[in-house]
Amino acid sequence: SQELEQSPQSLIVQEGKNLTINCTSSKTLYGLYWYKQKYGEGLIFLMMLQKGGEEKSHEKITAKLDEKKQQSSLHITASQPSHAGIYLCGVRLAGTASKLTFGTGTRLQVTL
Amino acid sequence: EPEVTQTPSHQVTQMGQEVILRCVPISNHLYFYWYRQILGQKVEFLVSFYNNEISEKSEIFDDQFSVERPDGSNFTLKIRSTKLEDSAMYFCASSVQREIEQFFGPGTRLTVL
Repeated sequence: SQELEQSPQSLIVQEGKNLTINCTSSKTLYGLYWYKQKYGEGLIFLMMLQKGGEEKSHEKITAKLDEKKQQSSLHITASQPSHAGIYLCGVRLAGTASKLTFGTGTRLQVTL
Repeated sequence: EPEVTQTPSHQVTQMGQEVILRCVPISNHLYFYWYRQILGQKVEFLVSFYNNEISEKSEIFDDQFSVERPDGSNFTLKIRSTKLEDSAMYFCASSVQREIEQFFGPGTRLTVL
């Protein structure tokens, strides 16, 4: 099984709608990082979560790390076309120094 | 806002040739990384570098790969003898400390023919 599962794999939402993306690790993690990637481009850092129960927000994007530190959700409120892209969850797992392990990503399309 | 830069943006090479991918990390960062992403697949960790030595590497990072910080600003990834399966987008990243966010460059698309 995969170390890191993201769901859904893809999502199409209408502009203005809310959405949630999930990331679940099969191993204990010491840090979770959300990035956004546009096709063929680099990864843009969104948020880092390290403590169970931690919640962070940036503009209309909120991410939370669950108490057991193995799952995170990313929530976008009132989606806009600018939110379209691939959302990647990356984790720093127990037993690693700085290596980030990434999920397969969630491709988000926002329709008008 | 400071950012990680990478050159070239796209490199085409023949199988068996050596390539060097270049990166300029953010100036006050101390930790440097290379990742790669084969088309349609996950972003995969290759290597991390700190204090002029490799601190961690993956199984992908075999003897064909090497990294270097030749001066105070550049960080390079060398592939000695490229294979078809090395075709991928290569991302450089940097961070101030080991446990905090890594900032990624725009990537170099390597095509091996």
